[in-house]
Amino acid sequence: DVKVTQSSRYLVKRTGEKVFLECVQDMDHENMFWYRQDPGLGLRLIYFSYDVKMKEKGDIPEGYSVSREKKERFSLILESASTNQTSMYLCASYGTRSSYEQYFGPGTRLTVT
Amino acid sequence: DQQVKQNSPSLSVQEGRISILNCDYTNSMFDYFLWYKKYPAEGPTFLISISSIKDKNEDGRFTVFLNKSAKHLSLHIVPSQPGDSAVYFCAASAYAGKSTFGDGTTLTVKP
Repeated sequence: DVKVTQSSRYLVKRTGEKVFLECVQDMDHENMFWYRQDPGLGLRLIYFSYDVKMKEKGDIPEGYSVSREKKERFSLILESASTNQTSMYLCASYGTRSSYEQYFGPGTRLTVT
Repeated sequence: DQQVKQNSPSLSVQEGRISILNCDYTNSMFDYFLWYKKYPAEGPTFLISISSIKDKNEDGRFTVFLNKSAKHLSLHIVPSQPGDSAVYFCAASAYAGKSTFGDGTTLTVKP
């Protein structure tokens, strides 16, 4: 079974802090994604990576950056946290070429005060 | 412009009856469509998918229908069970597995 883990389930940070969210997958998947989920807005793609050190902006990259130094690990960085970044953050990965099903981690509920 | 839309935020059905969840899309380049289920405090899990070259795919109680001319897909759950109560997301992919998700429909199955 594919396993995607996220470093924290709940996180509380102050405005202006630098925040690191980490995601690790154990199935050697090339592709990894970061989403945020907000009520009524579904899942919105922040960034994705299709290989080590490769990244592409998603639909809402502003205020975020990412790092992929190893294949199994994809980090999301909030350079200077703001209250409007309070959200559920979900990491996902996928590796097969015949279908596009993504495997998600349990999510990190981030609150910025 | 929202490319994948789930127009019903919520749906309530009786146990044993059929649940039909709908999804519309606008981008003709989408070639793969997926449904995910999400329980509270968990990440979404893949449920069923369909390629654009097909119009139907079945997996047990779950069937997905695709109408390309109408740019519409639907998920049928028969019979519905209380454990099916969750948020269902429709997703569409066009490239590199990058998926665009709808806003989700909350399904409640009443015993």
